[in-house]
Amino acid sequence: EDKVVQSPLSLVVHEGDTVTLNCSYEVTNFRSLLWYKQEKKAPTFLFMLTSSGIEKKSGRLSSILDKKELFSILNITATQTGDSAVYLCAVFYSGAGSYQLTFGKGTKLSVIP
Amino acid sequence: DSGVTQTPKHLITATGQRVTLRCSPRSGDLSVYWYQQSLDQGLQFLIQYYNGEERAKGNILERFSAQQFPDLHSELNLSSLELGDSALYFCASAPNQGEQETQYFGPGTRLLVL
Repeated sequence: EDKVVQSPLSLVVHEGDTVTLNCSYEVTNFRSLLWYKQEKKAPTFLFMLTSSGIEKKSGRLSSILDKKELFSILNITATQTGDSAVYLCAVFYSGAGSYQLTFGKGTKLSVIP
Repeated sequence: DSGVTQTPKHLITATGQRVTLRCSPRSGDLSVYWYQQSLDQGLQFLIQYYNGEERAKGNILERFSAQQFPDLHSELNLSSLELGDSALYFCASAPNQGEQETQYFGPGTRLLVL
């Protein structure tokens, strides 16, 4: 079963729109949640979240974690065509004597002019 | 440019063969992670090494193995290759071993098994 579920799977918006991407998880011994942006090649790191309710911001992007409801959102305001990418959410959790890292399937964002 | 290098960029081989993928972490980083990304499975964590020792294991097949050398570069060995092993293989590095750290990804090696 999927431990990390992202929604929507795909999203098409116009430049200037604001989008919210969702990531829910179901793991025991949660450690941290990470967001990545993947364009044509390797993922690039956006945020790491470990505490509930503390918003992390970087320019037009922001993210927050809710450890009680087991989800995180990634907001992008005033979207630009350069924001077009797949956004990946990943969760670190402890299990079987070590820790594991599981990724969601990603949300494909397309920003059209 | 993340500072993580991977070779080769592309690799085409036949079923049943064995290949080795190489990763050099960012200067000073002690941890190396390996991932497989295929169209149907998304990004899958395979294995992590920290300072030469295996630290965490994900969905790595028994046909696959990895190691990290004293100079901290790492190799992922894939043997008895099957068509389904065709994928992008990424490595990532981080300064230490903890899960509280950012990982920096290399550009990936695209493997095609024919």
